[in-house]
Amino acid sequence: DAGVIQSPRHEVTEMGQEVTLRCKPISGHNSLFWYRQTMMRGLELLIYFNNNVPIDDSGMPEDRFSAKMPNASFSTLKIQPSEPRDSAVYFCASSPGTGEETQYFGPGTRLLVL
Amino acid sequence: AQSVTQLGSHVSVSEGALVLLRCNYSSSVPPYLFWYVQYPNQGLQLLLKYTSAATLVKGINGFEAEFKKSETSFHLTKPSAHMSDAAEYFCAVAGAQKLVFGQGTRLTINP
Repeated sequence: DAGVIQSPRHEVTEMGQEVTLRCKPISGHNSLFWYRQTMMRGLELLIYFNNNVPIDDSGMPEDRFSAKMPNASFSTLKIQPSEPRDSAVYFCASSPGTGEETQYFGPGTRLLVL
Repeated sequence: AQSVTQLGSHVSVSEGALVLLRCNYSSSVPPYLFWYVQYPNQGLQLLLKYTSAATLVKGINGFEAEFKKSETSFHLTKPSAHMSDAAEYFCAVAGAQKLVFGQGTRLTINP
């Protein structure tokens, strides 16, 4: 079992550029979650999907953020345009059924926006 | 709505001493509760979970937690701290198709 896979692991970009973060959930899992972690705000849930359908995106900070899940094995989180305050570690997690079951986290993508 | 409060953002203990990390929850239904651990530069990893079976739950690495409904608590303990336990620990409660995480407690182990 490969676990949740995220890419890239590190990303450095300049303000105004588009950033795309990628996630491959554990095979057979039905729910997928995107989180952001910063020292100031801790761990924040941005959006989650169940069976590839977005269920709750109330945590998405603003319209610059968008997420898609075109199929059961792939999801993207896009920031356009990026800003320095978006610098954080972004985690993807998946769970077998609903989000109320154990969630399995990926290693994260560390994003730095200059 | 479900929520958790972790008491103490930073806990420091000596190697070999008891570890106690506190978590109180709020839930309108019998809760599912979780403890996760995050080592530096890694994602969160499940330590243990409570799903209304036994009130004392044993997890990995010698950790355990006791569900106390009367106190709405789910504190995490380990009898003897090891240097490798240094990490951040998160308590979480299930609700509305997601997990609600606490703010985390950073555990430091002194030699």
